[in-house]
Amino acid sequence: QSALTQPASVSGSPGQSLTISCTGTNNDVGNFNYVSWYQQHPGKVPKLMIYDVSIRPSGISNRFSGSKSGNTASLTISGLQAEDEADYYCNSYTSSRTWIFGGGTKLTVL
Amino acid sequence: QLQLQESGAGLVKPSETLSLTCTVSGGSISSTNYHWGWIRQPPGKGLEWIGTVFSSGVTSYNPSLETRVTISLDRSKDQFSLKLDSVTAADTAVYYCTRRLENTSFRDSWGQGTLVTVSS
Repeated sequence: QSALTQPASVSGSPGQSLTISCTGTNNDVGNFNYVSWYQQHPGKVPKLMIYDVSIRPSGISNRFSGSKSGNTASLTISGLQAEDEADYYCNSYTSSRTWIFGGGTKLTVL
Repeated sequence: QLQLQESGAGLVKPSETLSLTCTVSGGSISSTNYHWGWIRQPPGKGLEWIGTVFSSGVTSYNPSLETRVTISLDRSKDQFSLKLDSVTAADTAVYYCTRRLENTSFRDSWGQGTLVTVSS
């Protein structure tokens, strides 16, 4: 199984909104609503930000939102803050009853 | 508050078996609503799903690792384990144990991670 496709890097200024895409296939993102997003700061444990495409866990800022269209899932961060600078990974269930991650996106706050 | 803690050898020789244990505290591994799994991250690289063991003991593995990996439960100790055979330098990574709520992608609990280095 090939990794889901994410942009290697994105950047934005404080206060701006940006979106990170995660492209899969009909065998994963396109066929299941089991898509999640993780934020990882350097040397830290990944943190769940969004699950089941668009649900925020308790305690996660509403500046983070998720969506899906066809084979592509998206994570949108509004009102960008310096603390949002981190790596972001998407994750999806697959038709093989396995899970697959995206390659990760490095978010830089300018 | 559920806590997961990985333990095991931090240095493994090439061709040998990597063995890790995840101890669950603040909850029971016998809960039928949760699945238990392992994820790894090579230094400077992305996350890779290794596999899952369901509360029933049924397993699911990454196809790229399936011939070498075994994940199992020890309900008496509230632990689950990972064994990876015939390791090479490419298996050097931080290994995380995780918990996921069944029928969702809600993987909310992670251990702190443990670095396993494969080297002679």
